Amino acid sequence: AQRVTQPEKLLSVFKGAPVELKCNYSYSGSPELFWYVQYSRQRLQLLLRHISRESIKGFTADLNKGETSFHLKKPFAQEEDSAMYYCALRASAPGKSGGSYIPTFGRGTSLIVHP
Amino acid sequence: DTGVSQDPRHKITKRGQNVTFRCDPISEHNRLYWYRQTLGQGPEFLTYFQNEAQLEKSRLLSDRFSAERPKGSFSTLEIQRTEQGDSAMYLCASSRDITNTIYFGEGSWLTVV
Repeated sequence: AQRVTQPEKLLSVFKGAPVELKCNYSYSGSPELFWYVQYSRQRLQLLLRHISRESIKGFTADLNKGETSFHLKKPFAQEEDSAMYYCALRASAPGKSGGSYIPTFGRGTSLIVHP
Repeated sequence: DTGVSQDPRHKITKRGQNVTFRCDPISEHNRLYWYRQTLGQGPEFLTYFQNEAQLEKSRLLSDRFSAERPKGSFSTLEIQRTEQGDSAMYLCASSRDITNTIYFGEGSWLTVV
């Protein structure tokens, strides 16, 4: 089974402060990890995926297979970063490990960036 | 806007009534997904289509729920004999391929009173 844990329901920081949104996962096979973001009154959208190894809106995330984590980081938070952030996992090759190509989501972390 | 569209956006219904939601995926997207989201939770998978074939269903999808994608284009999700526990946001998403990015609609809010 595949499982995603986001331990923080809420993260509150001031503008300019570093941000780290935690994501831990449980999956015995080779995972593919994602971060989705939902801004106020907008639809859920992909922020970044680990295989792309890119920085989007200043955010980065590194897959740490040893710690089974995929934390989202940004060195200097901006007010416009305030949103719900969801970590998601899907199997990259589900056959042997019993996982699924269907993404499994964490419960989300609400990020509030104060001015 | 050529994104995933859902209708209606909001639905209030009395317990015991049937409701139907429609989803129009992005053109040429073969995969279509239904998720449910309740307050304080992330999206939970319900079911998935590849073209018109329903390939996977979650245990969350009770017998009162049925989904169709008759011509491999739009999809409907019907809930029969609604219960208060069905109150949630029902999200539709689509992707070109099983390994491609999934794009979500804005969701359909259901309130059962």
